[in-house]
Amino acid sequence: AQTVTQSQPEMSVQEAETVTLSCTYDTSESNYYLFWYKQPPSRQMILVIRQEAYKQQNATENRFSVNFQKAAKSFSLKISDSQLGDTAMYFCAFMKYSGGGADGLTFGKGTHLIIQP
Amino acid sequence: EPEVTQTPSHQVTQMGQEVILRCVPISNHLYFYWYRQILGQKVEFLVSFYNNEISEKSEIFDDQFSVERPDGSNFTLKIRSTKLEDSAMYFCASSRNRNTGELFFGEGSRLTVL
Repeated sequence: AQTVTQSQPEMSVQEAETVTLSCTYDTSESNYYLFWYKQPPSRQMILVIRQEAYKQQNATENRFSVNFQKAAKSFSLKISDSQLGDTAMYFCAFMKYSGGGADGLTFGKGTHLIIQP
Repeated sequence: EPEVTQTPSHQVTQMGQEVILRCVPISNHLYFYWYRQILGQKVEFLVSFYNNEISEKSEIFDDQFSVERPDGSNFTLKIRSTKLEDSAMYFCASSRNRNTGELFFGEGSRLTVL
């Protein structure tokens, strides 16, 4: 079974600052995906960024980037130039790759990120 | 922009009652999911559904739970005899492709069992 750990229950930064959210995971799988999902106060979770484990290059989506350290089983999210709209719960998630079926995501407990004006 | 919709947003029920939570996935999506989040705990996978059958289910998804896609539009989660520990936020999600992990979530249905 997989586990995902987010050690920061809450973080608060000033607008325009850079913030890094940490995530570690444990798995015996060799092929898998890692994700960061954002859940704003409206409660609808949306995908922020995705990383395939077989890719060495870190994924980037505009102001969002990850630092994927496969050997250390670490997957942190960096938000640059943070904005008020980035205030949300952020969930790190794991999904194993399989050849058939639709697999479920394993989530961490989340980090509540607050961007202060 | 198309989105996943869930009803009801909040349901209060007595222990032992049957509950049906409804979801309308995005219309061209093929894979459907239910997750739940007990207050203060992790979001947990319950079940995935594809081609009118369950693809995968977790240990949580026991005989008290069932899913159905009755009319090609709705995707329902039924809890036959609710227990206090079923109180949680239930999230429906859908995706177009398998193994991308890009799930589109609804806003959730909060179930309170008294």
